[in-house]
Order: sequence, then C-alpha cells, then structure tokens
Amino acid sequence: NAGVTQTPKFQVLKTGQSMTLQCAQDMNHEYMSWYRQDPGMGLRLIHYSVGAGITDQGEVPNGYNVSRSTTEDFPLRLLSAAPSQTSVYFCASSTAGMDYTFGSGTRLTVV
Amino acid sequence: AQSVAQPEDQVNVAEGNPLTVKCTYSVSGNPYLFWYVQYPNRGLQFLLKYITGDNLVKGSYGFEAEFNKSQTSFHLKKPSALVSDSALYFCAVRASGYSTLTFGKGTMLLVSP
Repeated sequence: NAGVTQTPKFQVLKTGQSMTLQCAQDMNHEYMSWYRQDPGMGLRLIHYSVGAGITDQGEVPNGYNVSRSTTEDFPLRLLSAAPSQTSVYFCASSTAGMDYTFGSGTRLTVV
Repeated sequence: AQSVAQPEDQVNVAEGNPLTVKCTYSVSGNPYLFWYVQYPNRGLQFLLKYITGDNLVKGSYGFEAEFNKSQTSFHLKKPSALVSDSALYFCAVRASGYSTLTFGKGTMLLVSP
C-alpha cells in the first residue's frame, strides 16, 4: 500500500524551463491537492481536485497548471519556471471523511 | 474564507516540562481542525484531528489538543516534552463544504535536554 507517491524527489530547473511534478495515489481518494511550502509561510494551496475531470485554483495558482484525467493521478505542471517557484511541493489526497495522506514532497530549485 | 494563526514562530521548553503550541482559527460554519508535525527534510505526519464530539482530542505520541469554540482555538499540548518532539508543527483547518486544508505558518518546537 504505497499511499501518495510523488516524483521526482529533487529537481533543479533553469529559468524558463517547463516540467511536470507527478502525484499518484492508490487509495481511491476523491480529493487531491497540491501545496507549496516556503519558510515562514506554512503550506499554501496551489490547485485542487474533487474528482476526475474537476479541478480548481487555490491560493497561489499562477504559473501552475493541473489536470485530473483519472482518480489516481494529479500532475502539476510548471509552464515556465521562475526562481520564485523554488519551493518544496506536497501532494495530498483525502476522503470526504477527512483522512488526509501527504506525499513525501518534491524539492524544486529554479536557477 | 478560512484562516489559521499560529502566533509563535518558536516555542522553547525543557525536557520533562509540559508544552503548548497555540493555534486559533477563523471559518464560516463548523471547523474541522488538524495538527501535523514535520521533521527536518521529511513530509507531514498526522498527529490528531477534531471533527465533532469530545472537545479534548488525543493523538499520536502522547499529544492532545483541546477544541474551544468560544475562543476559536485548538492548542496542542503534551504533559511531558521529549527532545525527540523537536520539530515543526502545523495547525490546519477545513471548513464545512470545503475539500482542502488551510495551514498556519507553523511553529518550531525546540525541546532542550
């Protein structure tokens, strides 16, 4: 039972490059979300999904794109990386019953 | 809108002493409250949650939290701190009708030997 799997664990990008952070869960959870963690700012919501085919913006969506074609996968796309997107990214999945499971995170550095 | 405040960036306590990490919240409707802990370079570990029922919630590793509706607070407590409790603690809230959590900025707990 893997829970929530995030790949890669570490990534260095150059400014302007694009990439996709992968998130997969095997618990058949309806809800999935992406957060970024920055020092002194806690975790801030980027995008979320309440089911396959349904996504919505969170607090800090600019520069990011998501899609949810299956229940299991919720990839986060950086369209044109900027140094301000240097952060640690966490994916989470949850049930309506409020059992949240977080991935182990992706540490992204944009140079 | 929902928000969480953790008024202390850092809490220092001696091993064996009781500890409290403070959290206040603001939501419309019923709040669902959570505490998570993060060790260096690790993900978030769930400690406890309040959904409904008894205002005193007991969680992992001897931690507990008390839901106080009138003061809109959900402080994390432990009767006797351990050095191994040193970590970053996050309070989070989810409002009724929402699917996502809103986190506080986090409180670093340092337990000295």
